[in-house]
Amino acid sequence: QQQVKQSPQSLIVQKGGISIINCAYENTAFDYFPWYQQFPGKGPALLIAIRPDVSEKKEGRFTISFNKSAKQFSLHIMDSQPGDSATYFCAARGSGNTPLVFGKGTRLSVIA
Amino acid sequence: DSGVTQTPKHLITATGQRVTLRCSPRSGDLSVYWYQQSLDQGLQFLIQYYNGEERAKGNILERFSAQQFPDLHSELNLSSLELGDSALYFCASSVQTSGRATQYFGPGTRLLVL
Repeated sequence: QQQVKQSPQSLIVQKGGISIINCAYENTAFDYFPWYQQFPGKGPALLIAIRPDVSEKKEGRFTISFNKSAKQFSLHIMDSQPGDSATYFCAARGSGNTPLVFGKGTRLSVIA
Repeated sequence: DSGVTQTPKHLITATGQRVTLRCSPRSGDLSVYWYQQSLDQGLQFLIQYYNGEERAKGNILERFSAQQFPDLHSELNLSSLELGDSALYFCASSVQTSGRATQYFGPGTRLLVL
């Protein structure tokens, strides 16, 4: 049973465009929703994270939008750059120091 | 650089063999997590240790085992290896706080079982 569903599997965006990746979760006990960025040959690295008490969090060009009632959250990358080309994973976790549950990832390619 | 180190970087072995993957967490981090990443399954949580004790178990096969030592480094042991065990294995570490613990991932060990 996949607890976090991520879409799309792959995404091609023009340089300067907006990249949007969506995730949906089932477990209402989740209270922490991070996004990880992974470059080829590297481990995932935390990009940005949100808690369900806010509907949006912005850090530079990266924004998380969170819809608690729909149990959905999304990552928006504004002014996408070729250097943003990577695989992005959404994740979710319950309270305490419980393990992360990951989506299956989105491979983003930003083309010039 | 996350501060989490993993060795070896690459490992090639044969079916039926046993291997040990090693992880050193970031300085001060007490929690260590092991994940398996394959093309079709994404990142799957295997097991978590906190300060030497097993804390949580995920989709870890009985052929796999792990431990965390007093110096906080951890080892993941994979035995009776099968072709399907070929994957990237990541270790992550965190400082345990009340639900705000960021997990920092190591560079991974790429295992190829032939």
